[in-house]
Order: sequence, then C-alpha cells, then structure tokens
Amino acid sequence: EVNLLESGGGFIQPGGSLRLSCAASGFTFSSYVMTWVRQAPGKGLEWVSDINENGDSTYYADSVKGRFTISRDNSENMLYLQMNSLRAEDSAIYYCVKGGWCDYWGQGTLVTVSS
Amino acid sequence: DVVMTQSPLSLPVTLGQPASISCRSSQSLVGSDGNTYLNWFQQRPGQSPRRLIYKVSNRDSGVPDRFSGSGSGTDFTLKISRVEAEDVGVYYCMQGTHWPPLTFGGGTKVEIK
Repeated sequence: EVNLLESGGGFIQPGGSLRLSCAASGFTFSSYVMTWVRQAPGKGLEWVSDINENGDSTYYADSVKGRFTISRDNSENMLYLQMNSLRAEDSAIYYCVKGGWCDYWGQGTLVTVSS
Repeated sequence: DVVMTQSPLSLPVTLGQPASISCRSSQSLVGSDGNTYLNWFQQRPGQSPRRLIYKVSNRDSGVPDRFSGSGSGTDFTLKISRVEAEDVGVYYCMQGTHWPPLTFGGGTKVEIK
C-alpha cells in the first residue's frame, strides 16, 4: 500500500524558512517522479514543484522559483521541500504526491505564514 | 501556461441522478506521443485529493464504475451516472501534457440537493 507522510509544516513569520519532508513507502520510490502540490485555505490546487527519479532535474512554479528547492534521498525514500523567503501567499496545505501524473497523495502538512 | 476552465462552479444533484462536469483547456492536450494527459481528481470534505481518472477515460483502481471520463482535444467531461452521498466533494481536472507546469481547473463542488 502506498503511503506518503508529510511533516515539517507550522507557523512562520514572513521572510522565514521551513523544510517540509515526505516519507514514502509501499512503492519503489527511486523509480518515480515526485511532486509537491499546495492548496491555500478554501482554494484550489496549485502545482509547486517536481523532481525526476534520480534528483538531477527539478521544476518549479514561477510563484516559488528562486525561493523553494525540491530534493530527494532515494536511499531513505524521502522527499523534501526547502522553503525560503516565505510570504503570506505561501500559506497552504502542502501535499506530497507520487508521480508526475499524481496517482497518490499524502494527507498534507499545513504551512501558515503570518506576522 | 495551459489554462483549465471547469463548469459549473457548483453542482447540486439529487441522489441517484446523473451529474456531469465540464473541463476545457486553452490549447489541445494531445501530446507529441499521441496521448492526452488529462486527469480527474475527487476531494471529499476534509480529505486529500484522490485521482479518479487518468488519460481522459481510464479509471483508477477501486474507483466505482459510475464514474466515467470522456473527451478529446480541448473539451473533457467527467460523468457520474448515479450520484451517491459519498460523491459529495470538489472535483478537479488537471493537464499534464504541457508540463511544466501541471495545471488544474478551479474545481466543481458537487452537493446533494
């Protein structure tokens, strides 16, 4: 059974940094693109970032480019999202998602950016 | 970026009756490989999204056969043949043909009349 467990969310002031983690199990992690998708409170879904299977290609939404960094550790089955220079508009639930076509989603971790 | 437009925004449905959601893309979703990367997701209240349909019309494992997807090019439809109480939630379409970025529709809220 595929399981994706996010952690690392919390309350942070504007300009601060957070690192989200996602522990993956139930599938061959190193064989899949991994994705972060976010959802602001009461809003729709927004793609944030992708990383390819071996971690040497990464892609970002324009809204986070230069501030967020996606990475992975295939030896530990872990996905990460380093978020710097956080803004109020980054407040959202962040979902760890398996595959480029989003077949399995974690339960999400809430990030709140506020002064 | 490809813009995905869903309608209606809200869809009140009587239990046991059919429901239909439209999704239109700002450009054709037929990829260079001939595939059309259009997915549908269901998000029940308080839950994470769940993929229902991939590549226009393929149901994911465990998805009831009352859900079906159709369409081509820029026009796509998700149909629920007979709505059940557990179908309440928000439905999203998503394109992956012109990635990056993946882009989602704004969502359609299905509720029971």
